Amino acid sequence: SQTIHQWPATLVQPVGSPLSLECTVEGTSNPNLYWYRQAAGRGLQLLFYSVGIGQISSEVPQNLSASRPQDRQFILSSKKLLLSDSGFYLCAWSVQREPYEQFFGPGTRLTVL
Amino acid sequence: GQNIDQPTEMTATEGAIVQINCTYQTSGFNGLFWYQQHAGEAPTFLSYNVLDGLEEKGRFSSFLSRSKGYSYLLLKELQMKDSASYLCAVMASNYQLIWGAGTKLIIKP
Repeated sequence: SQTIHQWPATLVQPVGSPLSLECTVEGTSNPNLYWYRQAAGRGLQLLFYSVGIGQISSEVPQNLSASRPQDRQFILSSKKLLLSDSGFYLCAWSVQREPYEQFFGPGTRLTVL
Repeated sequence: GQNIDQPTEMTATEGAIVQINCTYQTSGFNGLFWYQQHAGEAPTFLSYNVLDGLEEKGRFSSFLSRSKGYSYLLLKELQMKDSASYLCAVMASNYQLIWGAGTKLIIKP
C-alpha cells in the first residue's frame, strides 16, 4: 500500500530564517506530487506541482521554491521566511491517470514569528 | 475566473441527515471530489463524481449535475465523529484541483 510522509509535524521559525520541508512517498512509482498551503479557516492553495524528477510548476509567485531530486521525494524551501508564510503545509500525491485522486500527507504546521 | 462556492458552516443533530451543497464555475471539468478534514489534520478522500447522478458509499452519498455546475454531499445517520470540514474540489481542464474554502459541519447531540 502507498504511504506519504511529511516532516516536521510542527515548526516555529523566526522571520528571515530558511525553510526546508520534506515529503516522501512509498509504494508507488512516478507519482504526481503537490505542495499546498492552507491558511486558518481557508481552502487549499496550490503552491507547486511536479509530474517527474526535476519538473516543477509554480502556481503562485512567492519566496518559496520546490525541488524533486528523486522520484518520490518533494522538498519545499525558502531562503528567507516572511510572516505571511505561516500556515499548514500539505504534501499530496496522485497517480498519473484518471481520476487523479490526491492523497495527503499529515501536514506541517509552520509558525513564523 | 474559477470559483467554487459552499456554505461556510452548517449545524446538524446526531442521527439526522445533512446535505452540503457546492456550486462551481471552472475552466473545463474533469471530475468533482469531496474530502473530509478534521481540525488540525490532513484532508481525506470521500467521493468522486465525473458523470451526472448519485454515487453512494455507505452513509455518504455525492450527487453531480454538470449542466448546473452543482454537487452535494449527503451524510446520513450523523455521528459526532462526522464533525469536520468538508471540502469540495473540481478538477479543471489542466487536471489541477480547484478547491472550495470548505464547509464546517457541527454535530450536536
